[in-house]
Amino acid sequence: EVQLEESGGGLVQPGGSLRLSCKVSGLTFSSYSMNWVRQSPGREPEWISYIGKGGSTIYYADSVKGRFTISRDDAKNSVSLQMNSLRAEDTAVYYCATGYSNYAHFDYWGQGTLVTVSS
Amino acid sequence: AIRLTQSPSSLSASTGDSVTITCRASQGITNYLAWYQQKPGKAPKLLIYSASALQNGVPSRFSGSGSGTYFTLTITSLQSEDFATYYCQQYYYFPPLAFGGGTKVEI
Repeated sequence: EVQLEESGGGLVQPGGSLRLSCKVSGLTFSSYSMNWVRQSPGREPEWISYIGKGGSTIYYADSVKGRFTISRDDAKNSVSLQMNSLRAEDTAVYYCATGYSNYAHFDYWGQGTLVTVSS
Repeated sequence: AIRLTQSPSSLSASTGDSVTITCRASQGITNYLAWYQQKPGKAPKLLIYSASALQNGVPSRFSGSGSGTYFTLTITSLQSEDFATYYCQQYYYFPPLAFGGGTKVEI
């Protein structure tokens, strides 16, 4: 069974930093690209970052470019999202997600971790 | 950036009804469209990809159609577990991957 489990969410002040992690099991992690998708309360999901197999290809949504950094550790079957200069509008549930095809739909999602940016 | 517009934003239906949700893309995306179901407090669940391909394990009462800029998700014989919010997502243009605004199916 494929499982994705996020961790690292919490309450952080505006301007602060947070690091999210996603541990993956049940698939050959190194063979899959990984994504982070977030969802603000009452809104549609928003794709924010992609990292390809091997980590050489990385993309960000304009809303987080320059502030967030995605990385992966194939030895630990995990992907991370370093979030800096956080803003109130970054408040959301953050999901890691993947699928059988790159740049495509998401067959597997984690349960999500809540990030709240507030003073 | 490409935009996906879903309609209606919400609808009321009863168990046993058939409902159709539409998703319009601002540019042609051939058949690079997926549909997800989301229940409160849960992650989205993939229902359909490539506009009409049913994901493994998804009941056959769910069906998708369309290509280019117009797509539909149809649920026949609504069951109680189908009351949820549904999102379309395009993956023809990347980055970014884009989701529609959602359609809430209520009792």
